[in-house]
Amino acid sequence: KAGVTQTPRYLIKTRGQQVTLSCSPISGHRSVSWYQQTPGQGLQFLFEYFSETQRNKGNFPGRFSGRQFSNSRSEMNVSTLELGDSALYLCASSLEVWVRMNTEAFFGQGTRLTVV
Amino acid sequence: SQQGEEDPQALSIQEGENATMNCSYKTSINNLQWYRQNSGRGLVHLILIRSNEREKHSGRLRVTLDTSKKSSSLLITASRAADTASYFCATDGTHTGANSKLTFGKGITLSVRP
Repeated sequence: KAGVTQTPRYLIKTRGQQVTLSCSPISGHRSVSWYQQTPGQGLQFLFEYFSETQRNKGNFPGRFSGRQFSNSRSEMNVSTLELGDSALYLCASSLEVWVRMNTEAFFGQGTRLTVV
Repeated sequence: SQQGEEDPQALSIQEGENATMNCSYKTSINNLQWYRQNSGRGLVHLILIRSNEREKHSGRLRVTLDTSKKSSSLLITASRAADTASYFCATDGTHTGANSKLTFGKGITLSVRP
């Protein structure tokens, strides 16, 4: 069974540009969450999608957005990039929403975004 | 704010020794999960322990959960150099309704010397 696939693995963008990251969850998983990891702030929750609906959102500005498709694949978009957006962006998939189902979340390898 | 706080922040041991890492959290939880991360790569799920469980084993891993103290420990027995990584605990931060998210601590850096 394939794991969580994130593309691209590495990305270099210039301030002011926008970027789209992609995440394909494990087959059969319907919940996809996104996290940002930086040395200073650690792992921070961005948002969670379940069955194409955003179920939860972290404390990030509106420049960060996402969506989920009918096949559960998800994308996140960051517009008007800032230097501080440089981070490892991780996607996690799970079978169901955790609170109700208590299921594990499985992470992809991440996309390393560098903003110059 | 960080829900899980790991302790110690860094741990260095000799191969073959046991490594014990602790995690404390602040609010009630449904479950607690431990993850491993190798040098800026993705997180590898190690083990999930539910709030009604006290201990769980998986290979060389043993996790305990004490909900009265809001703490968990991860024990890695007979450590290997390949166990060198950062370890994170994550809680689901229970809220009413269907929404949930994992809240991570800052992680423990484990170095296993050959």
